[in-house]
Amino acid sequence: AIQMTQSPSSLSASVGDRVTITCRASQGIRNDLGWYQQKPGQAPKVLIYAASSLQTGVPSRFSGSGSGTDFTLTISSLQPEDFATYYCLQDYNYPWTFGQGTKVEIK
Amino acid sequence: EVQVVESGGDLVQPGGSLRLSCAASGFTFSRYWMSWVRQAPGKGLEWVANIKEDGSEKYYVDSVKGRFTISRDNANNSLYLQMNSLRAEDTAVYYCARDRAVAGRFCLDTWGQGTPVTVSS
Repeated sequence: AIQMTQSPSSLSASVGDRVTITCRASQGIRNDLGWYQQKPGQAPKVLIYAASSLQTGVPSRFSGSGSGTDFTLTISSLQPEDFATYYCLQDYNYPWTFGQGTKVEIK
Repeated sequence: EVQVVESGGDLVQPGGSLRLSCAASGFTFSRYWMSWVRQAPGKGLEWVANIKEDGSEKYYVDSVKGRFTISRDNANNSLYLQMNSLRAEDTAVYYCARDRAVAGRFCLDTWGQGTPVTVSS
């Protein structure tokens, strides 16, 4: 199975900060990668699919980039509602695999 | 409103069986792949299985192969997960999610609230 490694595992940031989360695949996955946000006690929510396509309704401060093995989720200006855990998911081949998650906390 | 609602989670003994259900509404169920994703307490997300629109293709994570079976009933807009030979490590909240395909790329765009499964004696 393809392993997805996210970094960092957690980070502390302030409102207004630019935040970058990375995800590395153990083999090339083209751009078959999505980013998901999960808040405590809630179901995950898709932010980005196909590495860089913004899901309808998601604020434009979220963006994704990358192809092959290295991917990035960027939040251009962190808002209070963005404090959550973020996961990448590869859907290049089965079994689909998630990264271990990155928890974004308030500094 | 597009939504999926899971049910069927319960406390079950190791070695036991459980069937989870997911009721879909607000969209043409038969046109979408569907997935199950789980989350153990305090842990990350794990994709478990998915099924093609007509049920002709099914895929599983290795840890559940031979024990879990995903199925669907398009006439009743329902998705199922039959779980047999349950183990303590299957304890998790199980989410049902719609797989939206866009130009060959998948996206889990609709999630339920999850149903908890606890495997313990």
